[in-house]
Amino acid sequence: ETGVTQTPRHLVMGMTNKKSLKCEQHLGHNAMYWYKQSAKKPLELMFVYNFKEQTENNSVPSRFSPECPNSSHLFLHLHTLQPEDSALYLCASSHLGQGNSPLHFGNGTRLTVT
Amino acid sequence: GENVEQHPSTLSVQEGDSAVIKCTYSDSASNYFPWYKQELGKRPQLIIDIRSNVGEKKDQRIAVTLNKTAKHFSLHITETQPEDSAVYFCALPLGADGLTFGKGTHLIIQP
Repeated sequence: ETGVTQTPRHLVMGMTNKKSLKCEQHLGHNAMYWYKQSAKKPLELMFVYNFKEQTENNSVPSRFSPECPNSSHLFLHLHTLQPEDSALYLCASSHLGQGNSPLHFGNGTRLTVT
Repeated sequence: GENVEQHPSTLSVQEGDSAVIKCTYSDSASNYFPWYKQELGKRPQLIIDIRSNVGEKKDQRIAVTLNKTAKHFSLHITETQPEDSAVYFCALPLGADGLTFGKGTHLIIQP
């Protein structure tokens, strides 16, 4: 049990599909993150939510749309993706306010865009 | 954002030998230096971290050393075992939120 749960574990979608990735953390943290992991860029930060407010959008294309309804849940909405978007998408959480603190990762969603 | 350079990209050592992975950075204000381990098919997990008020921290067979003057920090694994085979990432704070990661080191333990 990781404390950070991601669904689905695997997702195959066509370029015209719309899908969403879900993340839930049970650690009482107040910040959540989306990272993309691929062979070219091993751990690339996409979005940061601090107390439900988006504080980082790391030049991510608009075909990726995050949503953070509360401090425990994070979504990544996907639409009209490209094959190069195929990667492992990792959600993480941490507790901000006590200096820098470790990230706790979920097991990721393996996305394949066909 | 802060850039962190990690070397080597691949490291192969004999079981029982030591392994050292090094990361260099440019922002002298960095004050938190974690290391993550990612086994094949699994999530990255924190294995050890150090803050800038200490120069070395040890936890059983793993240790992290920090040289703030030279702006580098290193992961040391002694008496390596097969279960140490994984990809290791160093990281640095990205402003107040999140971490930026090095490109990773694939550590291979040869039997």
